Amino acid sequence: AQSVTQPDIHITVSEGASLELRCNYSYGATPYLFWYVQSPGQGLQLLLKYFSGDTLVQGIKGFEAEFKRSQSSFNLRKPSVHWSDAAEYFCAVGALLGAGGSYIPTFGRGTSLIVHP
Amino acid sequence: DTEVTQTPKHLVMGMTNKKSLKCEQHMGHRAMYWYKQKAKKPPELMFVYSYEKLSINESVPSRFSPECPNSSLLNLHLHALQPEDSALYLCASSQAPGVQETQYFGPGTRLLVL
Repeated sequence: AQSVTQPDIHITVSEGASLELRCNYSYGATPYLFWYVQSPGQGLQLLLKYFSGDTLVQGIKGFEAEFKRSQSSFNLRKPSVHWSDAAEYFCAVGALLGAGGSYIPTFGRGTSLIVHP
Repeated sequence: DTEVTQTPKHLVMGMTNKKSLKCEQHMGHRAMYWYKQKAKKPPELMFVYSYEKLSINESVPSRFSPECPNSSLLNLHLHALQPEDSALYLCASSQAPGVQETQYFGPGTRLLVL
């Protein structure tokens, strides 16, 4: 079965510093990988996704992620963090479920990003 | 337009009440989803509808009853809930069941069961 590990429950960075959030996945086939962000009390917003092709993926809000098959990783990066980036970040792997062929994301537990001024 | 809307934003109900959550999308998506999210936890899949038919039920108690009246609308009917059902309920949609789907999430309904 597929799974996602986000080893860091909390990450604290200073505003303007660089950021890397870690994500490791387990999936038998080619993974479909996602990063979502969730502000308190809000829904999830898609930051970026990887299906195939270039392993360095650009997303919204200045985020990027790199797919490394050899390390089963899909880490999220941002060169300079803004205070508004403080939120919960979820990595997910899309896995085929059900007879209808739906690809459903399996989410990691999330990493809470705290930004200090 | 990549918007999924959910109403109401907040809902308080007693254990004997009947209420409904509503989700709507006008992106032409043919797959719609209900998730439950407890505080500080990832979303947990509850139901999947594909082409207006229920395709996945993740062993959800019968006090939750989903309905998909048309391709744009998804409801979740609630009856005789328990306090532990208090959570953020998220709706999502994607273009179609199958490969390379991206789910778009609504803002959620925060439910409190007293």
